[in-house]
Amino acid sequence: EVQLVESGGGLVQPGGSLRLSCAASGFTFSSYWMSWVRQAPGKGLEWVANIKQDGSEIYYVGSVKGRFTISRDNAKNSLFLQMNSLRAEDTAVYYCARDKQDSSWVDYWGQGTLVTVSS
Amino acid sequence: DIQMTQSPSSVSASVGDRVTITCRASQGISSWLAWYQQKPGKAPKLLIYAASSLQSGVPSRFSGSGSGTDFTLTISSLQPEDLATYYCQQASSFPLTFGGGTKVEIK
Repeated sequence: EVQLVESGGGLVQPGGSLRLSCAASGFTFSSYWMSWVRQAPGKGLEWVANIKQDGSEIYYVGSVKGRFTISRDNAKNSLFLQMNSLRAEDTAVYYCARDKQDSSWVDYWGQGTLVTVSS
Repeated sequence: DIQMTQSPSSVSASVGDRVTITCRASQGISSWLAWYQQKPGKAPKLLIYAASSLQSGVPSRFSGSGSGTDFTLTISSLQPEDLATYYCQQASSFPLTFGGGTKVEIK
């Protein structure tokens, strides 16, 4: 069974940093693109970033470029999102997501971790 | 960036009704479109990919159609468990973008 379990969310002050982690199991992690998708409270979905199987290709939404860094450790079946210079508008539930093989559709989602940016 | 516009933003229908949701892309995306269902308090679930391919395990009452800029998600016979918000997503180019969502309510 595919499982994606996020951790690392919490309350942080504006300008602060946070590192999200996602532990993957139930599939060959190194064979899939992986993504982060977020959802602000009461709002719609926003794709944040994704990373190729070997980390050689990475893409970001414009609003996080230069502030967020996606990375992965295939030996540990883990996905990460380093978030710096956080803003109030980054407040959201962050989902770890697996991209369907050879595509940019998300076929599995974690349960999400809440990041709140507030003073 | 490609903008995805969904309509309506909400729809209320009775059990057994046919429900249609529309998604329009700001530029042509061929068939690079997916539909997701998100139930309250839950993570989204992939329903349809490549505009019309049904994801494994999804009931056949869900179907998708369209190509280019105009796409449709149809629920052929609405069931109580279909209460959810539905999102379209384009995968033609980065950044990937979602529509604003359509909330489906049961009368």
